[in-house]
Amino acid sequence: DAKTTQPTSMDCAEGRAANLPCNHSTISGNEYVYWYRQIHSQGPQYIIHGLKNNETNEMASLIITEDRKSSTLILPHATLRDTAVYYCIVSTRGSTLGRLYFGRGTQLTVWP
Amino acid sequence: GAVVSQHPSRVICKSGTSVKIECRSLDFQATTMFWYRQFPKQSLMLMATSNEGSKATYEQGVEKDKFLINHASLTLSTLTVTSAHPEDSSFYICSSGGGSSYNEQFFGPGTRLTVL
Repeated sequence: DAKTTQPTSMDCAEGRAANLPCNHSTISGNEYVYWYRQIHSQGPQYIIHGLKNNETNEMASLIITEDRKSSTLILPHATLRDTAVYYCIVSTRGSTLGRLYFGRGTQLTVWP
Repeated sequence: GAVVSQHPSRVICKSGTSVKIECRSLDFQATTMFWYRQFPKQSLMLMATSNEGSKATYEQGVEKDKFLINHASLTLSTLTVTSAHPEDSSFYICSSGGGSSYNEQFFGPGTRLTVL
């Protein structure tokens, strides 16, 4: 079962930062926060993950609150190609244990 | 990231027939693969975990005799939908993990199954 809650939809202007929130108040100590996105009719794409420290990669930044009960995915300069459903998932690390249970995600629409 | 392929990308079949979907990890050895399905306007639902050389582990509510999974090598897992019915029409997606990277799963492009 999904252990996260996200807003159903969000809009963002092209070139602006998109900040996508996620609540995971029941996260366990050994669970990571993962973010994936899915463009229509394609397989999901990995974005970023973290345990408790903030993380940044070429795609996005992940800000995790100190109590780890929520996080925010930041796309610093959103483009039209970032329009997708974004999923926040908590899971243990490692492929053998890390089953991913997807919630409904947030539909991000980037407009020109 | 790693590349995962699926074949076929789209299949249409008659009710009562069986359909096999292949999932391949192209550039690394996948000890574990996962199978999901996604109905229109819904999220992905995990169906089963496929482990190389052993039986698959199915999620609650997924019929193992209807959705046969075989993971005979480190680069190939197959999902066979047996005696398919229209309600099995869905988008089937696989993902792989293992090898040198345990950080994330890499997903295939998906297979659109339509049962007439």
